[in-house]
Amino acid sequence: DTGVSQDPRHKITKRGQNVTFRCDPISEHNRLYWYRQTLGQGPEFLTYFQNEAQLEKSRLLSDRFSAERPKGSFSTLEIQRTEQGDSAMYLCASSLGVGQGNEQFFGPGTRLTVL
Amino acid sequence: GENVEQHPSTLSVQEGDSAVIKCTYSDSASNYFPWYKQELGKRPQLIIDIRSNVGEKKDQRIAVTLNKTAKHFSLHITETQPEDSAVYFCAASPEEVTGYSTLTFGKGTMLLVSP
Repeated sequence: DTGVSQDPRHKITKRGQNVTFRCDPISEHNRLYWYRQTLGQGPEFLTYFQNEAQLEKSRLLSDRFSAERPKGSFSTLEIQRTEQGDSAMYLCASSLGVGQGNEQFFGPGTRLTVL
Repeated sequence: GENVEQHPSTLSVQEGDSAVIKCTYSDSASNYFPWYKQELGKRPQLIIDIRSNVGEKKDQRIAVTLNKTAKHFSLHITETQPEDSAVYFCAASPEEVTGYSTLTFGKGTMLLVSP
């Protein structure tokens, strides 16, 4: 499968615990995005990477959230001290570079449930 | 920031009928408008997109129209089939010279096609 992959697909955790999600983009894509989707809503932008550089963070991304893309390939999203309001589907997307369009292709998502 | 409104929230049609979903956006700098289809429990999939230098784009049974003056764009599906049943999301972004852009999504339209 050469599409965007995410791991794990499901995560159940207790309030206050830390969780980390991984995203592997399409191999030739140098842009990587994280979105959050709650029931009945469209995806909401969280943060974006151009190669290893994190170029923008949404105001939705509180201090408890951190994302990295250390080698410009896969990315991780960590949520510290999880709250019940963090329960959502976390989607990763990737796209090609400058001058090649911005079609974003999504992964299957990680569904987080905070008890 | 950008705000995207999508209507209707639900749409029921008979197989073979046409379906139209409409979106409006607020940021005049937006110039890239993709549409995604999301089946239950699956990832959003890009089905068609349009850039502001054209007013209409068609791909088989799917077409998208754009009116930049009125800041609205629409998805048209003809000869609907039961497998078209899904949630459809519109999105908008300012696809800048660098190619960087953040997608702002509408809240989605649940399309149900009855046999």
